[in-house]
Amino acid sequence: EVQLVESGGGLVQPGRSLRLSCAASGFTFDDYAMHWVRQAPGKGLEWVSGISWNSGSIGYADSVKGRFTISRDNAKNSLYLQMNSLRAEDTALYYCAKGMIAVAAPYDYWGQGTLVTVSS
Amino acid sequence: EIVMTQSPATLSVSPGERATLSCRASQSVSSNLAWYQQKPGQAPRLLIYGASTRATGIPARFSGSGSGTEFTLTISSLQSEDFAVYYCQQYNNWPSGTFGQGTKLEIK
Repeated sequence: EVQLVESGGGLVQPGRSLRLSCAASGFTFDDYAMHWVRQAPGKGLEWVSGISWNSGSIGYADSVKGRFTISRDNAKNSLYLQMNSLRAEDTALYYCAKGMIAVAAPYDYWGQGTLVTVSS
Repeated sequence: EIVMTQSPATLSVSPGERATLSCRASQSVSSNLAWYQQKPGQAPRLLIYGASTRATGIPARFSGSGSGTEFTLTISSLQSEDFAVYYCQQYNNWPSGTFGQGTKLEIK
């Protein structure tokens, strides 16, 4: 059974940093692209960042470019999102999502999310 | 950046009737278009990919069509469990995966 479990969310002050993790199990992690998607309270889905199976291709939404860094450790079956210079508008539920294949594909499994609240 | 626009924002339909949801891309995404369903308090669920292929376990009453910039999700006979928010997503401009703003399907 595929499982994605996010962790690392919490309350953080504006300008500070936070690192999210996603622990994957139930599939061959290094065969698939992975993504972070967020959802602000009461709002729609926003793609944040994606990474190919071998970290050779990485992308970011304009809203987080230069502040967030995605990475993965295939030996640990884990995905990460380093979030720096956090802003109030980064407040959201952050989902980890698995791509259907190694690169260009939609997301067939999602975690339950970890909540990030940016507030003083 | 590719912008995805969904219409309508809210759709009111009676159980047993057909629902038609639209999604438009600001530039061609070929057939690299997916639809997701999200219920309150739950993560999104993949319904359709490749514009028209149902994901594993998705009932046949869900169908997708379109290519290029215009796409449609049709639910042929609405069941109570289908009332939710639906999102389209392009993945043609990978790794970017832009979502539409969503269509809320509510009971009439």
